[in-house]
Amino acid sequence: DTAVSQTPKYLVTQMGNDKSIKCEQNLGHDTMYWYKQDSKKFLKIMFSYNNKELIINETVPNRFSPKSPDKAHLNLHINSLELGDSAVYFCASSPRGAEYGYTFGSGTRLTVV
Amino acid sequence: KQEVTQIPAALSVPEGENLVLNCSFTDSAIYNLQWFRQDPGKGLTSLLLIQSSQREQTSGRLNASLDKSSGRSTLYIAASQPGDSATYLCAVENQAGTALIFGKGTTLSVSS
Repeated sequence: DTAVSQTPKYLVTQMGNDKSIKCEQNLGHDTMYWYKQDSKKFLKIMFSYNNKELIINETVPNRFSPKSPDKAHLNLHINSLELGDSAVYFCASSPRGAEYGYTFGSGTRLTVV
Repeated sequence: KQEVTQIPAALSVPEGENLVLNCSFTDSAIYNLQWFRQDPGKGLTSLLLIQSSQREQTSGRLNASLDKSSGRSTLYIAASQPGDSATYLCAVENQAGTALIFGKGTTLSVSS
């Protein structure tokens, strides 16, 4: 009954590989997000989708491509992985109203070797 | 562009102390503000959400206040416990669904 679930929890891969991280929310929220937490623990928004439509696309290399097959899912695909992509990636979701706030997944720790 | 600053970056206190964590933001036209807790190697746990029309919210030993006009929020933790040791993150949302903007956090250590 996890609210926002991400898979996998850990991902170790070699430079140049392509990988995907999946995210699903069962809260009925309208908007989903991907955040990156760097080695200094700073959380920065990457993308947001509202009901399958891309809303925010921060300055992120085009090797990163989000895909939202439906309102409950937002996956992150990364091509040609680089050492600098190593980080923790968090998925989050938020409802339409202001009174509930954001819910975050438990994160995916990506290590590129 | 909205920027969120948290002071102090780190804080160490003995068990039982009351403490205040500070958060400031540059653009006062926010939609809401949310405080999170992050334990090492873990995800984010929501502590308190303050809507732009509210002045404070309370949950147990935690109290968060919001002063939009001055661009400030404080998180007050009463009677701190070792289990409170974690990083506390402040985040603001400028408009609905526009994504939270985070501060760099305050890392709290409570010793027994």
